[in-house]
Amino acid sequence: ETGVTQSPTHLIKTRGQQVTLRCSSQSGHNTVSWYQQALGQGPQFIFQYYREEENGRGNFPPRFSGLQFPNYSSELNVNALELDDSALYLCASSFTSGSYNEQFFGPGTRLTVL
Amino acid sequence: AQSVSQHNHHVILSEAASLELGCNYSYGGTVNLFWYVQYPGQHLQLLLKYFSGDPLVKGIKGFEAEFIKSKFSFNLRKPSVQWSDTAEYFCAVRENSGYSTLTFGKGTMLLVSP
Repeated sequence: ETGVTQSPTHLIKTRGQQVTLRCSSQSGHNTVSWYQQALGQGPQFIFQYYREEENGRGNFPPRFSGLQFPNYSSELNVNALELDDSALYLCASSFTSGSYNEQFFGPGTRLTVL
Repeated sequence: AQSVSQHNHHVILSEAASLELGCNYSYGGTVNLFWYVQYPGQHLQLLLKYFSGDPLVKGIKGFEAEFIKSKFSFNLRKPSVQWSDTAEYFCAVRENSGYSTLTFGKGTMLLVSP
């Protein structure tokens, strides 16, 4: 166990709906990264939050958005869901201090879009 | 942008066989390299990493990897696999600058038969 928790574990939505996924980072960590892992693929970087601001973004459209709260927990929001959004969504927390620090991954949220 | 290529999607071995999983990346600058493992039903966890120095790095559970800069490769090895090594293995690369995002390969599913 890494101390990174995600909720919910599984979620089923229909096309066009909106979804919010949650991540609680490991104690002492100030950075949260979100990844999308489609079936048969490796995780793909969505974005990263550091001190409540977006600190980098991958090749995902604006309907993927996020938040980081003062306690460093985070949300991933996806609007206007599409079938291709079905995937495992991973959250990873780390402590940013100038040099690279290991990212610790949560168990993921499995999103199915029908 | 960097990319990561893992040579085999599925590998089947008998216990005590030797393992080598290939990983190549494309990026001209300085990179940090990682191997992650995902055991069935568990979260992604770090096996080993290379930042600088000795290109042969040792990780947990008897795994090691060799960084060959001229070949842009970072292959994972283990002399003798066990049934408990059955898992999916991901190679990842990070540019040695900027924020700590990881680019993952598609993964290799290793099945070790007893």
